[in-house]
Amino acid sequence: GENVEQHPSTLSVQEGDSAVIKCTYSDSASNYFPWYKQELGKRPQLIIDIRSNVGEKKDQRIAVTLNKTAKHFSLHITETQPEDSAVYFCAANRGYGGSQGNLIFGKGTKLSVKP
Amino acid sequence: ETGVTQSPTHLIKTRGQQVTLRCSSQSGHNTVSWYQQALGQGPQFIFQYYREEENGRGNFPPRFSGLQFPNYSSELNVNALELDDSALYLCASSLFPRDYEQYFGPGTRLTVT
Repeated sequence: GENVEQHPSTLSVQEGDSAVIKCTYSDSASNYFPWYKQELGKRPQLIIDIRSNVGEKKDQRIAVTLNKTAKHFSLHITETQPEDSAVYFCAANRGYGGSQGNLIFGKGTKLSVKP
Repeated sequence: ETGVTQSPTHLIKTRGQQVTLRCSSQSGHNTVSWYQQALGQGPQFIFQYYREEENGRGNFPPRFSGLQFPNYSSELNVNALELDDSALYLCASSLFPRDYEQYFGPGTRLTVT
């Protein structure tokens, strides 16, 4: 079946450094790729997303890139701050039929930003 | 914070019992998706409800069932609870088919003993 692989599972950076999280997906029909941030004990929060007709999207310190040919997409966080510490999940939608809105999630990356 | 709410917050049940979880979607949204999140894992898609009908289902057995009401709120029912059903159950609302963005509720923590 369809799946989403996410790497690394843990990432530790110094405050001010950049962080990059990478995901690959298997469903060639997927056309929507969101990223969620989940702090301990809280709900997943949508932080940025990208559609398949766009190669890159940026929102202040975060950016997402998509390579449809290689079926991978990445999250880039610049100038990291301690409040960026959380678990980050990538996801891809099932791209067929009435299930286009259904998301397949990666296993998550625990990001720790050290002051 | 999103306008998606869930109840109850926590629940403890015994193996073999049945449970009903509830979700109210964000204003303006017409679709509710349910996910199961085991500890240390990403959310796993259970099913989605659109126009009061199931619109896609993940790899979950029939003892997981749901409903959507005319006001777009939704219920998740789980029968014959098993220990492995212990997890955080999240619902997410969206405006299908126009938008794909899904916004999560705070979740219900279910513990099966």
